Amino acid sequence: DTGVSQNPRHKITKRGQNVTFRCDPISEHNRLYWYRQTLGQGPEFLTYFQNEAQLEKSRLLSDRFSAERPKGSFSTLEIQRTEQGDSAMYLCASGPTRPPYEQYFGPGTRLTVT
Amino acid sequence: AQKITQTQPGMFVQEKEAVTLDCTYDTSDQSYGLFWYKQPSSGEMIFLIYQGSYDEQNATEGRYSLNFQKARKSANLVISASQLGDSAMYFCAMREGSGGGADGLTFGKGTHLIIQP
Repeated sequence: DTGVSQNPRHKITKRGQNVTFRCDPISEHNRLYWYRQTLGQGPEFLTYFQNEAQLEKSRLLSDRFSAERPKGSFSTLEIQRTEQGDSAMYLCASGPTRPPYEQYFGPGTRLTVT
Repeated sequence: AQKITQTQPGMFVQEKEAVTLDCTYDTSDQSYGLFWYKQPSSGEMIFLIYQGSYDEQNATEGRYSLNFQKARKSANLVISASQLGDSAMYFCAMREGSGGGADGLTFGKGTHLIIQP
């Protein structure tokens, strides 16, 4: 298994632009999670999918943030009208639907908004 | 109140010594899980060890063990015989609930561990 992959690894964008990140989970994992990590902090949970169903999205930071997992495999996280405060590392994790429900993280996408 | 508190922003430890990284948590759930992750400078979060709230024995995984004191709400990570490659950020995290629902992890702010030769 190749682990969780994320693309791109780095993204530099200008304020006001839209950005989209992709996450490919470990193939046998049904659960997929998105987190944001800012400098000096631990990851902050954003949203969660089980297969294609988005079961938790109340933690998305604003209505500019949205996520999809259309076929229950890869997922995308989109940020519309980016702001400088969106600059952070965006982490994706996947995990099994059995205890202890551990999560395996990808390398992250580092977003810089100029 | 912070749900996960890691009180050691940074630690320096001599190679081959044991090191304990502190973590306290706050939850009103009876069922929860505690996790430790390692984040090297490369950025990827690596899952190390898990302890369930109902587990009676402390979890162990190789050189890692978790000192779980439920009454004190603490879940300290112990690394035995530290190695240079252990230098990294270490995060304590909690999953509230049994895990069957939509449960993201809540992370602490981390401890930056540096192993010195």
